[in-house]
Amino acid sequence: DVKVTQSSRYLVKRTGEKVFLECVQDMDHENMFWYRQDPGLGLRLIYFSYDVKMKEKGDIPEGYSVSREKKERFSLILESASTNQTSMYLCASSSPPNQPQHFGDGTRLSIL
Amino acid sequence: SQQGEEDPQALSIQEGENATMNCSYKTSINNLQWYRQNSGRGLVHLILIRSNEREKHSGRLRVTLDTSKKSSSLLITASRAADTASYFCATSSIQGAQKLVFGQGTRLTINP
Repeated sequence: DVKVTQSSRYLVKRTGEKVFLECVQDMDHENMFWYRQDPGLGLRLIYFSYDVKMKEKGDIPEGYSVSREKKERFSLILESASTNQTSMYLCASSSPPNQPQHFGDGTRLSIL
Repeated sequence: SQQGEEDPQALSIQEGENATMNCSYKTSINNLQWYRQNSGRGLVHLILIRSNEREKHSGRLRVTLDTSKKSSSLLITASRAADTASYFCATSSIQGAQKLVFGQGTRLTINP
């Protein structure tokens, strides 16, 4: 079975901090995705990557950046955390990109 | 822009009854997928239906797709308390095949 592991289930940070969310998958998938999930808004795509060192903006990339130095790892970076970035963050992987995605258990991030 | 939109937003039924959830979308698609999310966890893929398919079954799940109406339905037969979860549809559009677009979900509660 595919396993997607997110480094933290819960995280509390302060406004202005640089925050790193890590995601690792073990199935050699080319495609990896970062979403945020908010009540009433569903899942919104932040960034995705279809290969090492490649990235594409999703629907809401502002305030975020990503890094994919190795195929199995996709990092989401909040350059300067703000309270409106408090949310549930979900990482997923797939191969090919429009096939079923495998999700991690999410990181519930609170920015104080 | 929002692609998949589920209806109803919330559904509460008795154990043993059937549950039907609907999804509407706007653009031409390659496939449509249904996912399940238990509270506080990541999404789990349930079933994928291609644009040239009309119906698909998997255990107690039945999915239909009507591309002329741009809609899909997910039927869960003989519901169990363990089916309590949120259910999301996601579409892979022809124009943006690298990513999925998720709806806001239907919150299903099965009462024992």
